[in-house]
Amino acid sequence: DAGVIQSPRHEVTEMGQEVTLRCKPISGHNSLFWYRQTMMRGLELLIYFNNNVPIDDSGMPEDRFSAKMPNASFSTLKIQPSEPRDSAVYFCASSFTATEAFFGQGTRLTVV
Amino acid sequence: AQSVTQLDSQVPVFEEAPVELRCNYSSSVSVYLFWYVQYPNQGLQLLLKYLSGSTLVKGINGFEAEFNKSQTSFHLRKPSVHISDTAEYFCAVSDLGGATNKLIFGTGTLLAVQP
Repeated sequence: DAGVIQSPRHEVTEMGQEVTLRCKPISGHNSLFWYRQTMMRGLELLIYFNNNVPIDDSGMPEDRFSAKMPNASFSTLKIQPSEPRDSAVYFCASSFTATEAFFGQGTRLTVV
Repeated sequence: AQSVTQLDSQVPVFEEAPVELRCNYSSSVSVYLFWYVQYPNQGLQLLLKYLSGSTLVKGINGFEAEFNKSQTSFHLRKPSVHISDTAEYFCAVSDLGGATNKLIFGTGTLLAVQP
């Protein structure tokens, strides 16, 4: 398996623009997580899905953030409109059980 | 709700010296415990995990960790570090037997190995 695949790896956008981050989890995994990593706040869990259903989105910072998982093999995290303070590395992870989560390489987002 | 505390944000150490990275957790239920490593500009990679059984867990790259339930700790150790061990290390906890696989991370400890 190729592991968790995230795209794009790097994204630079202007303030106010819409940004969409993509994630393909490992086949067969039933849980998917979106994390945000910054120097100031470390790794924050934004939202996670179980069997394609959002279970807990309490970590989503604002209404500007939204996430979807239309099927077991694809998820998106959208920011609209984007702001400079959204600049961070966004990680997607997937797991089959609570015993291990596998992470993608991350998307480095820069909002100017 | 679970939480994880990594008190040391940075640990400098000389090459070939031993190191311990501290992790404490809080939870009202039994948990699984993990250590992940992040090398520069990369994602997180599982180093080791405690699920049940022996409290001493061995992982990759010569690392080990000991689960101490009474002290709610899961400290990571290595008897002799290498320059290549320089990375960010994250302790994490998930709810054993919970309905979901929610994984909560500590703030990370930067291990800086000096020659």
